[in-house]
Amino acid sequence: GENVEQHPSTLSVQEGDSAVIKCTYSDSASNYFPWYKQELGKGPQLIIDIRSNVGEKKDQRIAVTLNKTAKHFSLHITETQPEDSAVYFCAASRLNSGYALNFGKGTSLLVTP
Amino acid sequence: GAVVSQHPSRVICKSGTSVKIECRSLDFQATTMFWYRQFPKQSLMLMATSNEGSKATYEQGVEKDKFLINHASLTLSTLTVTSAHPEDSSFYICSAPNGLAGGTDTQYFGPGTRLTVL
Repeated sequence: GENVEQHPSTLSVQEGDSAVIKCTYSDSASNYFPWYKQELGKGPQLIIDIRSNVGEKKDQRIAVTLNKTAKHFSLHITETQPEDSAVYFCAASRLNSGYALNFGKGTSLLVTP
Repeated sequence: GAVVSQHPSRVICKSGTSVKIECRSLDFQATTMFWYRQFPKQSLMLMATSNEGSKATYEQGVEKDKFLINHASLTLSTLTVTSAHPEDSSFYICSAPNGLAGGTDTQYFGPGTRLTVL
C-alpha cells in the first residue's frame, strides 16, 4: 500500500517568513496529492491539490510542487501570517479509483508575530 | 467548495452504550464516503469506506461488528459505535469525494465528531 512520509513534524517561523513542508510517497501509481489544513477541534480543510500531470500549482500565498521521479511533493507558504498556524497534512491517492487518501503524519506550523 | 456536515459535533456517553454519528454531503451526491478516526496529535486513520447500496469495506484491525456503517442514501452515511468503551474515545471524521465537480476526486471533510466515553 501507499506510505506517505511528512517532514518536519513541527515548524516555527516568524510572521512574514516562508514555510516549507515536504512529503514523500511510495506508490508510483499515486497521481493525486492534496494538502489539508486542520485547526484545533475542526475537520481538515483542503487548501491546495496537485495532479501528477502538473509540476507546480500556486494559489496566492500557497504553492505546491511535485517531483514524480523522486516521488516527493512540497507545500510552500509565503508571507506567513499568525492565522496560518495549524496542523498541515499531505496526502496521496489515485484519481477516479475510489481509494481513500493516505495521509502523512502532519506538521504543526506555528507562526509567531 | 462542497460542504460535508456531521452530527453531532460532540457526544459524551456511558460505557456500554451505542452512539450514532451522521455524515451528510449537503450540495452534492456521494456514492462513497470515508470514515476516519483521529487521536490527539496524530494523523487521520482510515477506518472504513462506506458504499451506497453495498456493504462497507473495513480497514485491517477495525471491527465491523463494533463500528456499524450504513450508507442510507447518496447524501448520508452513518457510523454507529456499538457498546462503546473509553478506548473508543476519539475524533471521528468523515469525508466525501465530489467526483461530480469536473471529474475530480477532491475530498471534502466534515467538521468531525468528538466522542467521549465515560
